[in-house]
Amino acid sequence: ETGVTQSPTHLIKTRGQQVTLRCSSQSGHNTVSWYQQALGQGPQFIFQYYREEENGRGNFPPRFSGLQFPNYSSELNVNALELDDSALYLCASSKDRPLRETQYFGPGTRLLVL
Amino acid sequence: AQSVAQPEDQVNVAEGNPLTVKCTYSVSGNPYLFWYVQYPNRGLQFLLKYITGDNLVKGSYGFEAEFNKSQTSFHLKKPSALVSDSALYFCAVRDPTGANNLFFGTGTRLTVIP
Repeated sequence: ETGVTQSPTHLIKTRGQQVTLRCSSQSGHNTVSWYQQALGQGPQFIFQYYREEENGRGNFPPRFSGLQFPNYSSELNVNALELDDSALYLCASSKDRPLRETQYFGPGTRLLVL
Repeated sequence: AQSVAQPEDQVNVAEGNPLTVKCTYSVSGNPYLFWYVQYPNRGLQFLLKYITGDNLVKGSYGFEAEFNKSQTSFHLKKPSALVSDSALYFCAVRDPTGANNLFFGTGTRLTVIP
């Protein structure tokens, strides 16, 4: 196990609702990245937080937002949920941002939007 | 722009036989390449990475990968497959722009037949 934890493990929401997913990074890591993995697909980058600031963003709309806290844990918020938001949401932590660092993933939160 | 191709959705191999999971990539600049494995209902588990140096990279659980710059490939290999190796394998390349996030392939499902 990596030491990256996520909560909740599963979640069911209805279209239009809002959801908050949580991630605790591995000890000593200050960078958290969030990915969306739709069924049968590879993970897609949502955004990254480094020292409490958004450090980069993938091709996701503004209703996907996030936070990073002083202890480097992070939240992913999704507003106005759509059916296509149903996916496994993965967070990954790493020690700083350099290209050489490995990202270690948590077990994910499976979100189902009805 | 960066991209990763895993040309085989499914690979079947008999237990004890060598296995290869293929990956080709396209990236501007130096490639930083990763392999992850995903077991059912789990997050991604890091196997190995190529940053620089020796073209043959050794990783966890007896896996290794060969970096070939001329063929822009980074194939995952194991000399003798185990039934417990059955899982979904993802190749990823580090995006050198912006947040240095990972860009994943679509995954290859490996089934090791007893």
